Parts: sequence; C-alpha cells; structure tokens
Amino acid sequence: LAKTTQPISMDSYEGQEVNITCSHNNIATNDYITWYQQFPSQGPRFIIQGYKTKVTNEVASLFIPADRKSSTLSLPRVSLSDTAVYYCLVGGPGSGSARQLTFGSGTQLTVLP
Amino acid sequence: EAGVAQSPRYKIIEKRQSVAFWCNPISGHATLYWYQQILGQGPKLLIQFQNNGVVDDSQLPKDRFSAERLKGVDSTLKIQPAKLEDSAVYLCASSSAGVNRDTEAFFGQGTRLTVV
Repeated sequence: LAKTTQPISMDSYEGQEVNITCSHNNIATNDYITWYQQFPSQGPRFIIQGYKTKVTNEVASLFIPADRKSSTLSLPRVSLSDTAVYYCLVGGPGSGSARQLTFGSGTQLTVLP
Repeated sequence: EAGVAQSPRYKIIEKRQSVAFWCNPISGHATLYWYQQILGQGPKLLIQFQNNGVVDDSQLPKDRFSAERLKGVDSTLKIQPAKLEDSAVYLCASSSAGVNRDTEAFFGQGTRLTVV
C-alpha cells in the first residue's frame, strides 16, 4: 500500500481557499486517491476521489499531476464548519476483490473567524 | 438511504472483561470494515470482510480480538480480555466496492470504548 504524507495541521480564515497537499511517491498504477473528512465524535466522511488530472464536486476539487506522486485537495471559501481532520488515502484492490482503505495521520484544518 | 448503524455508542468496562460491538452496514454493501481509532490518531484497519469472507485481518490482535460477519450482513467485533490500551473508538464502515470499482465507504458514528 502506498504511504501518504500530509501536513499535521493548517490554519485558515473564513472565506479563504484552502489547499492541502498529500505526497504519495509509491502510488501504484491501479491506485485511486481519496480524501475523507472527520469531525470530532463522528466517523470519517467521503469528500472526493480521483485517478488523474482534476476532479470537482460540490464541495471540493482534487488536483493530481501527471506523475500522480502527489495530490492537492482544494476547499473553496472555507467556513468555520470546515474545521475538521482531512485524510488522504491511496489504495487499490486488496488481496480480495474489495478496495483497501488505509488512513494516515491526517491534517487538522482549523478555520478561524 | 439508512446509514451504517453501530451499537452501543459508549461502553465502559474494567480491564480483563469482555466486550462486543455490533455493526449493521448499508443494505447491499458487500464490503465491511472495522477500524480502531485511538484519540489523536487516524483510524487503523482491524479487519475487512467481503461478504462473509475475511479479506484482510493482518492488524487484528487475534489473541484477544475476534470478528465475524455471519450471512454477509451485520457484524460483531469482540475483545476478550480487554486491556487499558484498547480504549478507543471502534468504527464500522461499509462500501459496495468490488473488483476494479472504486466507491466511497460509509462510516458509522462509532463505539467509544473506555477500559478502566
């Protein structure tokens, strides 16, 4: 499984765009990149997933360069409610047919007023 | 769509006692995961099921932890006997991912276990 490295913490102000970068130098050909968000006392929640180039949904964008050795989660115009831990996951099919989900330490994003 | 249900939400036990957690995944989800999350750390995978078969249990402390998923639907995770270091939140997740398919996993709210 590809190991991921992300900053331990980041601070931002309301209304700013936040970019969280994740390094995954050993990503495999069939690996996807997935980001989850976790609030205190809750389970992680899926944000976005991509394989290459750019993916955008209603809450975030994911930028993946051609070499796929890193990825950047972009949160536009953050609010106080975006304060959470953000996890970058890289993985593909495991020994069975289902995809493995391996979490790292995550990035604690704190949005300040 | 109903989410992943877990019970109980909280549990306090003394060390050396046993405890069991229950998880009911989203209907139709073939893949079920159990994670242990210690305060301040990311979730650590304990065991992954595909239907009622174990896909990965390499990080499950098998001398004290056990899990089963009878009939490929709901699942139980048991700890016997519990140690102080087992204090954590136990998360269950499910997904419909299959071969060459990548879909999101849905997590329950977790069971917070305190061992005293």
